[in-house]
Parts: sequence; C-alpha cells; structure tokens
Amino acid sequence: QQQVKQSPQSLIVQKGGISIINCAYENTAFDYFPWYQQFPGKGPALLIAIRPDVSEKKEGRFTISFNKSAKQFSLHIMDSQPGDSATYFCAFLSGGSQGNLIFGKGTKLSVKP
Amino acid sequence: EAGVVQSPRYKIIEKKQPVAFWCNPISGHNTLYWYRQNLGQGPELLIRYENEEAVDDSQLPKDRFSAERLKGVDSTLKIQPAELGDSAVYLCASSLAAGQNGYTFGSGTRLTVV
Repeated sequence: QQQVKQSPQSLIVQKGGISIINCAYENTAFDYFPWYQQFPGKGPALLIAIRPDVSEKKEGRFTISFNKSAKQFSLHIMDSQPGDSATYFCAFLSGGSQGNLIFGKGTKLSVKP
Repeated sequence: EAGVVQSPRYKIIEKKQPVAFWCNPISGHNTLYWYRQNLGQGPELLIRYENEEAVDDSQLPKDRFSAERLKGVDSTLKIQPAELGDSAVYLCASSLAAGQNGYTFGSGTRLTVV
C-alpha cells in the first residue's frame, strides 16, 4: 500500500546541526503533504504541512521544501536540538481532497548534545 | 481542550482471546480514524468514520476485526480472536472533516498478544 519512500531510516545529528529527511512519492494526484512528529509512547502530532502550489514553507526552525517535478519533498530542521529527537513521518492524502492520510515508514532522529 | 482519549494504554492478552479498544475523539470532530502502527513502521489506516458511518473500511481485516461508532462520537475497535501478528499500537485520530485538516492522534493502545 505504501506509495511514499522516506529516507533515511535513522539519522544522528549534532546539536545545532541541520537535519534533513526526504520523501519521494509516485502519484501526482496528491495535493497535501504533512509531516508528523512522534515521541515514544505518544501518537503522531502534525508538525508542518505544504500544498504543491508552493515550493517551500517555513515555520520556526522547520522548513518543508517541495519539488513537484521530481515528486519529492523534504523536511529541514535547522539548529537541531536534543528535544527534536523523535520519529518523523511524511504523509500524503490518498483518494483526493477527501481522502485518507498515508504515512511513510518514518525516520528516527537523534540529536546529540 | 481535551485531546483524543484512548483506553486502555496497554493490553496483554493470550492469542485467541478477544480484545477491545476505546476512543473518545475531540468534541465536534466528525471524522474518526483507527490506525495500526507496527513496531518501526508508520501508521496504517484500518477504518475511517464520518459521523457514525464507516466510509472506508477497505483495510480492516473483517474476519476478526470489527468497529463501531455509535451516535457518531465514541468508537470501539474489537479483535476476536487475536493473533500473535496483531501485536501493535492501535491509534485513534479525529479531525473536523476528512481531507486537508490536521489529524489529532491519541496516545494509542499498545497491544501485546502472547
């Protein structure tokens, strides 16, 4: 069922560094691309989302970059902090604007102090 | 505002036993989802409700799984009988409507089948 490929599976970054997580999708019909953050023992929480009519969206230290022609979108975490250590999931809507969210397999980020 | 509330948080059962999970969505959220998250994987949709109607249950293993959302508010997901492969975290989420609205997830129920 998975139609999005997320990489890397795990990532270790030093405090203050930049964390970059990538996702590639196949179906051009998707029009909503959120990123979710999940801490151990908690459910995923919406972090930031983008629609394909823009190429970039920034919220604080978090930026989504979207490349429609390459069918790729990425999450950049600037000035990464130990508190950012979590699992990050890219997702997209399947089935049109009224569809369901389909999630990638996740990237486990560890930010070392 | 209270978030999505799920119970129990943890459940350990023997295989072939039944189990049920309960979810109370955010007040006013018409759309409710049940997802299953296997260890090290992303959540996978099991069923979606619009009010009390199950509008997408294509991924629900109907031979052993069932769900209901009476009165369009709380929901229950049941497995009978449970199998070892059902061990996972069962997540409930809700949103105002389907589509491009942020889903709010509960903390999930971690099921271990032994």
